[in-house]
Amino acid sequence: KQEVTQIPAALSVPEGENLVLNCSFTDSAIYNLQWFRQDPGKGLTSLLLIQSSQREQTSGRLNASLDKSSGRSTLYIAASQPGDSATYLCAVRRETSGSRLTFGEGTQLTVNP
Amino acid sequence: DAMVIQNPRYQVTQFGKPVTLSCSQTLNHNVMYWYQQKSSQAPKLLFHYYDKDFNNEADTPDNFQSRRPNTSFCFLDIRSPGLGDAAMYLCATSRGRGSNQPQHFGDGTRLSIL
Repeated sequence: KQEVTQIPAALSVPEGENLVLNCSFTDSAIYNLQWFRQDPGKGLTSLLLIQSSQREQTSGRLNASLDKSSGRSTLYIAASQPGDSATYLCAVRRETSGSRLTFGEGTQLTVNP
Repeated sequence: DAMVIQNPRYQVTQFGKPVTLSCSQTLNHNVMYWYQQKSSQAPKLLFHYYDKDFNNEADTPDNFQSRRPNTSFCFLDIRSPGLGDAAMYLCATSRGRGSNQPQHFGDGTRLSIL
C-alpha cells in the first residue's frame, strides 16, 4: 500500500526566504508525482507534475525534483512571498492504480511580511 | 475562467436527509473524480468515472453514490448523511486514465451536517 508523508506539517518563514518542502513515498513504482496548493476553504490548484522519467520541473519561482528510487520529492520555493502562504500537498500516481492519486497530508506554509 | 465548477460552495443538511452535490467541467475530460477531505487530512478518493465506466473505491461506504449523466456533469449523492460525513468534497477531472496529465480540481463543496 502506498503511503505518502510530508514533513514538516507546518512551516513559518520570513518573506524573501528560499525554502524546501519535502514529500516521501513508500512505493517507488509511480507513474507521476504532482504538487498542489490549497488555500483555506478552497480546492486544489495544480502547481507542477513530474513524470516518473523526469528529475525535475520548474515553473516561475517553483522547482520540484523527483528521486524515484529513494521515494522522495522536494518542492523548492525561491524568494517566498506572503501570497505563497497556503497548504502544499504532494500526490503520487502509482503504476498499478489507474488514475488514483495518493495524497500526503500537506505542509501548511506561512510567509510572514 | 473556472474549468471545474462545483455547486454549491457550502451545503448544510440535516442528519439522515439525502443531499446531492454537483460538479461540471468545461474541459471535455474523460475522467471525473470525487474526493472527500476532512479537516487537516489528505483528500481521499471515493470513486471515479472513466466516461460512463464507474469505478468505486473498496472502502467507500455504500451511503455514497454517484451519477454521470453526460461528459460535463457528475453528481455525488449521500443517501443518509451522518455526522462523520461532514467534510469538503472535491471534484476533479483528467484527460484520460492512461494519460500523464494532471488532475484539475474544483473549489470544493463544504458539507455540514446538523
